Amino acid sequence: KNEVEQSPQNLTAQEGEFITINCSYSVGISALHWLQQHPGGGIVSLFMLSSGKKKHGRLIATINIQEKHSSLHITASHPRDSAVYICAVNYLGGATNKLIFGTGTLLAVQP
Amino acid sequence: NAGVTQTPKFQVLKTGQSMTLQCAQDMNHEYMSWYRQDPGMGLRLIHYSVGAGITDQGEVPNGYNVSRSTTEDFPLRLLSAAPSQTSVYFCASTRGTSGADTQYFGPGTRLTVL
Repeated sequence: KNEVEQSPQNLTAQEGEFITINCSYSVGISALHWLQQHPGGGIVSLFMLSSGKKKHGRLIATINIQEKHSSLHITASHPRDSAVYICAVNYLGGATNKLIFGTGTLLAVQP
Repeated sequence: NAGVTQTPKFQVLKTGQSMTLQCAQDMNHEYMSWYRQDPGMGLRLIHYSVGAGITDQGEVPNGYNVSRSTTEDFPLRLLSAAPSQTSVYFCASTRGTSGADTQYFGPGTRLTVL
């Protein structure tokens, strides 16, 4: 079993829909990261959070430390949001700053 | 700032050849790391460095060497390429060595070993 699990693995949405991507983890963490990777492209950090909620434009990330769960929400989705969204955690028990990555959620937003 | 740069973007090698993937950052970050990304798997840590002169192994270090002679540069060397090393390689850096730092990734190097 992976220490970081994302769901769904694939998601297709219509433009304008509200989207939720989930991340569950089984280890103690110091921080959780949401990353975005466009097809054939590099990886960009969207959020880093250790508690509560963060918002940036149409993106919202939440984390529940007790339940070991985080969600990434996209409001008013747009075709340019089509990408792979990756959850990663800083594992408390490991060496400093080592990340454990989920396998990603492939999002396609259709016009 | 250029951020994190990687060269080359694409490379094809024959089994047994050696090569170096270059990575540089201009943000004065202490922590640098190399990951490989394979289909159906999360990124996996190959090697990392917490500062000039200090390197350590990650999850999948076999077949790779690194060095960190300066804060800016962190090259990854493939000693004798194997088809199992066909992958996309990403270099990343963070400002400090604590867990709670934004990750900055390079654009990646797509390597094919024939």
